[in-house]
Order: sequence, then structure tokens, then C-alpha cells
Amino acid sequence: ETGVTQSPTHLIKTRGQQVTLRCSSQSGHNTVSWYQQALGQGPQFIFQYYREEENGRGNFPPRFSGLQFPNYSSELNVNALELDDSALYLCASRPDRSSYNEQFFGPGTRLTVL
Amino acid sequence: LAKTTQPISMDSYEGQEVNITCSHNNIATNDYITWYQQFPSQGPRFIIQGYKTKVTNEVASLFIPADRKSSTLSLPRVSLSDTAVYYCLVGPLMDTGRRALTFGSGTRLQVQP
Repeated sequence: ETGVTQSPTHLIKTRGQQVTLRCSSQSGHNTVSWYQQALGQGPQFIFQYYREEENGRGNFPPRFSGLQFPNYSSELNVNALELDDSALYLCASRPDRSSYNEQFFGPGTRLTVL
Repeated sequence: LAKTTQPISMDSYEGQEVNITCSHNNIATNDYITWYQQFPSQGPRFIIQGYKTKVTNEVASLFIPADRKSSTLSLPRVSLSDTAVYYCLVGPLMDTGRRALTFGSGTRLQVQP
């Protein structure tokens, strides 16, 4: 148990729709990151938030956006869904002044785009 | 960022010791080596981290030679529940402006009875 939860577990959407995925981190974990993991691949970094501000972004288009809230919850929003967006979406958090390499991942949300 | 290379897959039997080697020829002076484990339909889980020589915890051991261009994750006496994908990552200990953990494709370990 990492103390990081995600909802929903599974989600099915159609192309062009919008989706919001949610993550709840441990108290005190002010850094949260989101990753996309395609089948058979390692997780790919989408973006990172620290104290409610985005402070890093991977190679993903602007239709991937996020929010972080003061209660250690966060959201990943994806607009105009494409078939290639089908993947496992993971959030990860860590407390301040901890090893950057030790992050706590949630179980993920499996998104299927039809 | 240092690139890592590890075998795509490995097979083992219950009770055996498994060693997974990762190559990271371009590792920087301030980089640490970190290993994650991922079970199907779950998020990755931090296993172990080290800088040089040997690190051991209740889950695994990590061996790092003096030149640090490779590392070996050692899992003693594996069981069926160790079947997972294992990722080797390289990066600095603290956030120096690099915002992402960089995962490769990992090593898929299959443990047979």
C-alpha cells in the first residue's frame, strides 16, 4: 500500500470525448506527477505539479492538462480523446525533501478509447 | 539523462536466485541507480536505490561495480509472486530541475513453479 489512490479503476470513452482522472495522495506529499503507460511499455512522464502549480511537462500536447488541490488530490484532464490515448494512467507522489527517485505510485486508471 | 539497457525478459524457477543486470554507460557523477517493480495492472513500486558497491534491504540486493557503468538487482529465492516487470532508472537523488522519472521498457521476469 502506497497511500495513493486513483479513480476510477477503469473507464471507457469514445474518440473526441473528454475525460477526468483523479488521484489522492498522502498528506504532506506536495509533489504529484502523472504518467501514461501504454501496453508493454514503461511509464511516460506527462507532467508534474508542486503546491498546485505545474513545474514540469513531458512530450504531451496541451489537451493533456491537470490540477492539484490543497487537500493533496489532483486531476488529469484529457480533451479530444484519440485512440492512442488508450493506456494505464498513473499518478505518483512524494514528500518534500525526499529522494526524488523514490516516488509512490497509485494503482492507475485503465482508459480505453473506442 | 543516462540511458539504461536491460534484458527484455528472464525466466526462473521458484527458490532460485535471480540477477537482472542493467547497463548505464553514461551515468553521471551525481546519479543514483534505482529499481522499481511493477505487477500487472498496478503502479510501479520502489524496490531499492544505491550509489556504489552494495545495498541490501528486505526485498533485494543491488550490486554496483566501481566504474558504475552497470548494476545488478539480485532477488534471493524467488517465488511465483515475484513475477513482475523490473525497471532500472538512473538519476540524481534530489530534484535538480529534472522533473521526470525516466522508465525504459523494463525486464519481464517470469517465475515458474
